[in-house]
Amino acid sequence: SQQGEEDPQALSIQEGENATMNCSYKTSINNLQWYRQNSGRGLVHLILIRSNEREKHSGRLRVTLDTSKKSSSLLITASRAADTASYFCATDWSGANNLFFGTGTRLTVIP
Amino acid sequence: GAGVSQSPSNKVTEKGKDVELRCDPISGHTALYWYRQSLGQGLEFLIYFQGNSAPDKSGLPSDRFSAERTGGSVSTLTIQRTQQEDSAVYLCASSQRPGAGEAFFGQGTRLTVV
Repeated sequence: SQQGEEDPQALSIQEGENATMNCSYKTSINNLQWYRQNSGRGLVHLILIRSNEREKHSGRLRVTLDTSKKSSSLLITASRAADTASYFCATDWSGANNLFFGTGTRLTVIP
Repeated sequence: GAGVSQSPSNKVTEKGKDVELRCDPISGHTALYWYRQSLGQGLEFLIYFQGNSAPDKSGLPSDRFSAERTGGSVSTLTIQRTQQEDSAVYLCASSQRPGAGEAFFGQGTRLTVV
């Protein structure tokens, strides 16, 4: 498959806890991005990490990238009920300039 | 426009009919992507346009599916002789240039084949 794989497929946590989602991919990449999707419609870009970066922060989001293991993680700290959504990683393949998405993690934050 | 616009929002069609889905990307964005998402599933890549280059059609599931992008702007995805398994949300996205990173998504077209 051209897609990456996220795990877990589903995650349920209490409000205030941290949520960690993982993404694995198969080929060399230019960058890796994380997106959020509410209600099965349009996706919203959260954060991009380039292949020469190892960690990036944006507000309550922390992304790591390990190119040797072809994996990335997204950490959402101090989760809120409004963070309930599906989260997808997307890879921009080296030389392809296309954008391929993983299978997604469904996060539920319980108030 | 301010964002990526897709029309119609919802489409119900009878099996065997042809449908056309439209995508208006953000002005000036040279890259345009089509994806398909079945209920509760990930995004399945369909086709990618970049400027005047030949499109990457490697994700189109059958020859009933085709897409074009006129004048480097608006794109139309056509599904001929629709089947029930074509029922899904079809998402369009655009980005400023390949490898530029952030892709902006439309709200999708929910296609139901009955």
